[in-house]
Amino acid sequence: AQKVTQAQTEISVVEKEDVTLDCVYETRDTTYYLFWYKQPPSGELVFLIRRNSFDEQNEISGRYSWNFQKSTSSFNFTITASQVVDSAVYFCALFPVYGQNFVFGPGTRLSVLP
Amino acid sequence: GAGVSQSPRYKVAKRGQDVALRCDPISGHVSLFWYQQALGQGPEFLTYFQNEAQLDKSGLPSDRFFAERPEGSVSTLKIQRTQQEDSAVYLCASSLAGTSSGYEQYFGPGTRLTVT
Repeated sequence: AQKVTQAQTEISVVEKEDVTLDCVYETRDTTYYLFWYKQPPSGELVFLIRRNSFDEQNEISGRYSWNFQKSTSSFNFTITASQVVDSAVYFCALFPVYGQNFVFGPGTRLSVLP
Repeated sequence: GAGVSQSPRYKVAKRGQDVALRCDPISGHVSLFWYQQALGQGPEFLTYFQNEAQLDKSGLPSDRFFAERPEGSVSTLKIQRTQQEDSAVYLCASSLAGTSSGYEQYFGPGTRLTVT
C-alpha cells in the first residue's frame, strides 16, 4: 500500500523564520519519486521539487532545501527566511515508478505572518 | 507559454444533473490526469490518459464518472446524476511523457463543483 503522512496540519511562523514541513511515506516499491507541491489560495498546484529513491543527496535551491532519509522514509522540506508569499498549503506526494499516479499527503497549511 | 487550463472554474449543479468539466493540457504533453480534491484534503487520483488511451481509471468513484480524451489533447470529465458527495475541486494535470519517467505534472487551476 502507498501512503503519505503529513503530521502537521497547520503551521504559523513569523516572517524571516525558517520552517520545516514534515513528510513520511510508505511504499513497498524500491523505485519511486517524491515531490513537494505548493497550493496557494488561487488553487493551482505548483511544482517545487522532485527526488528519486536512489538519490538521497540533500540539496539547497534558493530558499528551499530538503532532507530525504530513506532509512526513516521521510522527505522533509525547509523554507529558509520565510516570506508572506510562502503562505499556502504544501503537499508531499509519492510517485511509484511502476504505478500510474501520485499519492498525495493531506497537506500542511503554512501561514507566514508579517 | 500557456499552462493547463480548465473550464468552467466554478460550477453549481442541482442534485441529479449531469456536468461536464473540460481540461486543455499543455501543448505536446502526452499524459493527462484527473484528480478530485475534497475540502481540506490532498488531491486523489481519478484517471489517467496517455494520448487518447485511458490507461487507468481505477480512481473513478462510481460508474457515474466518465472521462474521455478522443484526440489526445483536450479531455472532458463527465459526472452523471450528480450527488452532494461529488462536491469538490476537480484538478487536471498534464505531463510531458509517460508516467514511468517520473516527470512532474503541471496542474490547472481546477473546477470547483458544488452540488446543491
